[in-house]
Amino acid sequence: SQTIHQWPATLVQPVGSPLSLECTVEGTSNPNLYWYRQAAGRGLQLLFYSVGIGQISSEVPQNLSASRPQDRQFILSSKKLLLSDSGFYLCAWSVQSSYEQYFGPGTRLTVT
Amino acid sequence: AQSVTQLDSQVPVFEEAPVELRCNYSSSVSVYLFWYVQYPNQGLQLLLKYLSGSTLVKGINGFEAEFNKSQTSFHLRKPSVHISDTAEYFCAVSVPTGKLIFGQGTTLQVKP
Repeated sequence: SQTIHQWPATLVQPVGSPLSLECTVEGTSNPNLYWYRQAAGRGLQLLFYSVGIGQISSEVPQNLSASRPQDRQFILSSKKLLLSDSGFYLCAWSVQSSYEQYFGPGTRLTVT
Repeated sequence: AQSVTQLDSQVPVFEEAPVELRCNYSSSVSVYLFWYVQYPNQGLQLLLKYLSGSTLVKGINGFEAEFNKSQTSFHLRKPSVHISDTAEYFCAVSVPTGKLIFGQGTTLQVKP
């Protein structure tokens, strides 16, 4: 069966520090991968999605970037964090031909 | 363009009472519809989905939803809720590019 992992689970970082969040999927090949951010009390905002290695689409201009160095690995990064980057970050995957998305457990990021 | 509106931000209900969480969508093309549940500090879990066929869709945990094309709605229902159903519920609609658009969420608060 397929599983999706995210780490770390929680992270507290100072303003201006770098960020790297990792997401990996097991049990499937060539998935679509997604990064979402969920601010407190708000819905999900799609940040990036990827249909293959090295193929990244950005949904909104921001302080973050994403990379997909391997088929089932998706990384969210920042060179310098802002206070507004705080939130709950969710990674998700889907089969290439399907809209149904499966979510990871999330990373709670607090920028201080 | 597609959009999703969840009509209630919070729904308080007593245990064992029925509940309906409302979702309307807007789209000029055929869509697929989903309901997800999110427990505190966790990722999203798929409750049910409408892809085609019967307009009454049954999901996990006793939930069901009815697709109404003429009213562009996909309301979620459960005949008798439990304390454990307390969570955030998200309605989502597909877009032709292969992504999902999520509503802002409805907080279901089940009281004893």
